[in-house]
Amino acid sequence: DAGVIQSPRHEVTEMGQEVTLRCKPISGHNSLFWYRQTMMRGLELLIYFNNNVPIDDSGMPEDRFSAKMPNASFSTLKIQPSEPRDSAVYFCASSFKGLAGPDGETQYFGPGTRLLVL
Amino acid sequence: AQSVTQLGSHVSVSEGALVLLRCNYSSSVPPYLFWYVQYPNQGLQLLLKYTTGATLVKGINGFEAEFKKSETSFHLTKPSAHMSDAAEYFCAVSDLPAGRRALTFGSGTRLQVQP
Repeated sequence: DAGVIQSPRHEVTEMGQEVTLRCKPISGHNSLFWYRQTMMRGLELLIYFNNNVPIDDSGMPEDRFSAKMPNASFSTLKIQPSEPRDSAVYFCASSFKGLAGPDGETQYFGPGTRLLVL
Repeated sequence: AQSVTQLGSHVSVSEGALVLLRCNYSSSVPPYLFWYVQYPNQGLQLLLKYTTGATLVKGINGFEAEFKKSETSFHLTKPSAHMSDAAEYFCAVSDLPAGRRALTFGSGTRLQVQP
């Protein structure tokens, strides 16, 4: 399996621009998570989907952030308009909810998207 | 609410020495506990996890961790450090039994291995 795929790997944009981050979860996984990593706040959950439905979006900073999962194999995280404080590494992770055994519920992370907003 | 505290943001050991990275958690329900490793400019890789059963958990690359409920701890150890172990390590907790599957992470511990 190719693992969790994220694109782009790096993004540099100017304040006010729209940014779209993309994630392809591991095939067969039914849960998808977006996390953000910054020096100040560490790793924090933004939003979590199960079976393409948002379950917990309490970590989404504000209305400038939105996430969608139109199907089981694709999710986007959009920031509009972007601000310098959004600069961070954004990780997508996926897991299989309800899987028994040693691999059950394990979250597998993508390589991340490093975002810099100037 | 859950929380994770990792004692020591930086730990330095000599090659061949014992590695001990500390993690204490707070959870209102029996926790599921995880250790992840992050190499520079890469994503997080699962080292090991505790869900139920045996409290001593063995993971990849020779690492292991012991769940101690009385101490609310899940410290990560490795008997002999290798240069390739230099990375950042994250302890995480989820209230999976309560249905909250998202992970709450500690602030991370950067491990340096000196030759």
